[in-house]
Amino acid sequence: AQTVTQSQPEMSVQEAETVTLSCTYDTSESNYYLFWYKQPPSRQMILVIRQEAYKQQNATENRFSVNFQKAAKSFSLKISDSQLGDTAMYFCAFRSNAGNMLTFGGGTRLMVKP
Amino acid sequence: EAQVTQNPRYLITVTGKKLTVTCSQNMNHEYMSWYRQDPGLGLRQIYYSMNVEVTDKGDVPEGYKVSRKEKRNFPLILESPSPNQTSLYFCASSPRNVGTEAFFGQGTRLTVV
Repeated sequence: AQTVTQSQPEMSVQEAETVTLSCTYDTSESNYYLFWYKQPPSRQMILVIRQEAYKQQNATENRFSVNFQKAAKSFSLKISDSQLGDTAMYFCAFRSNAGNMLTFGGGTRLMVKP
Repeated sequence: EAQVTQNPRYLITVTGKKLTVTCSQNMNHEYMSWYRQDPGLGLRQIYYSMNVEVTDKGDVPEGYKVSRKEKRNFPLILESPSPNQTSLYFCASSPRNVGTEAFFGQGTRLTVV
C-alpha cells in the first residue's frame, strides 16, 4: 500500500514571497502520478499541478512548480510570488497506474499574510 | 458545465437513522469514489467504482454502503450512522486514464449526534 506524508501541518508566508510545501511518499511501483490539490475555505478541491513519474522534467503551472525527486520519493510544491488567494489547505496525492485510488497526505494549511 | 454534484451539503442526523448522500456526475466518467476528510488525516477513500455494477472497498469502508446502478450516480449510504462517522465527505469522478485529474463534488458536512 502507498503512503503519503506531509510533514508541515501549517505554514505561513508573506505576500509576494516564495514558499515550499513538502511531500514524501512510499511506493514499490515505478509508474504513477502525483498531484497537488488546493482546498480553499469554500471546501472545493482544485487541482494545482500534476507530475507523471516517468517524466524527469519538473511540472510547472504559472507560479506553481514542483521539485520531483523520484529516487528520494519526494514531491515538493513551490509557490512563487504568493498571493492572498493562495491561502488554503494543500494536499499532496498519489495515484498508481492501477488507477483505482488516490492516496492523500494529511495536508498543509498555508496562510499568506499581507 | 462539467461537474460533480453532491447533496446535501450539510446534514445533522441522530445515531442509527439511515441516510443517503447522493452523487452525480455529467462527464461520463468510468471511475467514481467516496472519500472522508478528517483533520490531520487528509482524505481517505471509503469505496470506489470502476464502472456500472462494479464497486470495491477503499481504506475505510466499515459502516458504509454504495451502489452503482447507473454510470452517472454513486450514492453513499450509512445504514446506521454513528458519531465517529461525523466528517466531511467528498465524491469524486475521473475518466479511465489514470493520469487525468479527479473531479470533486463540493463536499457534504455530516454531523451525527
